[in-house]
Amino acid sequence: GEDVEQSLFLSVREGDSSVINCTYTDSSSTYLYWYKQEPGAGLQLLTYIFSNMDMKQDQRLTVLLNKKDKHLSLRIADTQTGDSAIYFCAENPSGGSYIPTFGRGTSLIVHP
Amino acid sequence: DTGVSQNPRHKITKRGQNVTFRCDPISEHNRLYWYRQTLGQGPEFLTYFQNEAQLEKSRLLSDRFSAERPKGSFSTLEIQRTEQGDSAMYLCASSPDRGYEQFFGPGTRLTVL
Repeated sequence: GEDVEQSLFLSVREGDSSVINCTYTDSSSTYLYWYKQEPGAGLQLLTYIFSNMDMKQDQRLTVLLNKKDKHLSLRIADTQTGDSAIYFCAENPSGGSYIPTFGRGTSLIVHP
Repeated sequence: DTGVSQNPRHKITKRGQNVTFRCDPISEHNRLYWYRQTLGQGPEFLTYFQNEAQLEKSRLLSDRFSAERPKGSFSTLEIQRTEQGDSAMYLCASSPDRGYEQFFGPGTRLTVL
């Protein structure tokens, strides 16, 4: 079955890098996503990576994919207080409906 | 277009009452999804429409839940005879055909007393 696991909390100091990790189980996943959710709001897609890639960089965000270990990470460089939010990893198995399975989310707390 | 919108943003109801939520997707998006999110959890898939056709339903969608998208534009999600366990955030998302990105609305927070 499908299962996405994330650690629940991460606390970092402003200006440091944050690394949020995720493991997934469906080896047929074609896309893997990172979403951000601020309090009381919906989810905002931050970035996604195709399963045939091992790295993607987008400004302060770097996504690393280890397909062999089914491990995905999101690195946020120069973390700011505005980055405080819940970050969800999601996998999207192959198929036509594009219905992702989400992890429980990692709550990132950035303190001065 | 300002994105996916959902109404109401908050709904408080008494157990046993019926509630209906509305989602307006991004106008050119053919696909529309409903999710439920409880505290400390990620969104859980409920159902999915391609235009007006409801193509997939989760086993989470009990017979008290019904969703429609009559003209392939906005969608409604109705919960009949609400129970306290229905208290959650109900999220709607849309995407274009063959799109890999889903765009989420702000959600409707339901509280059942």
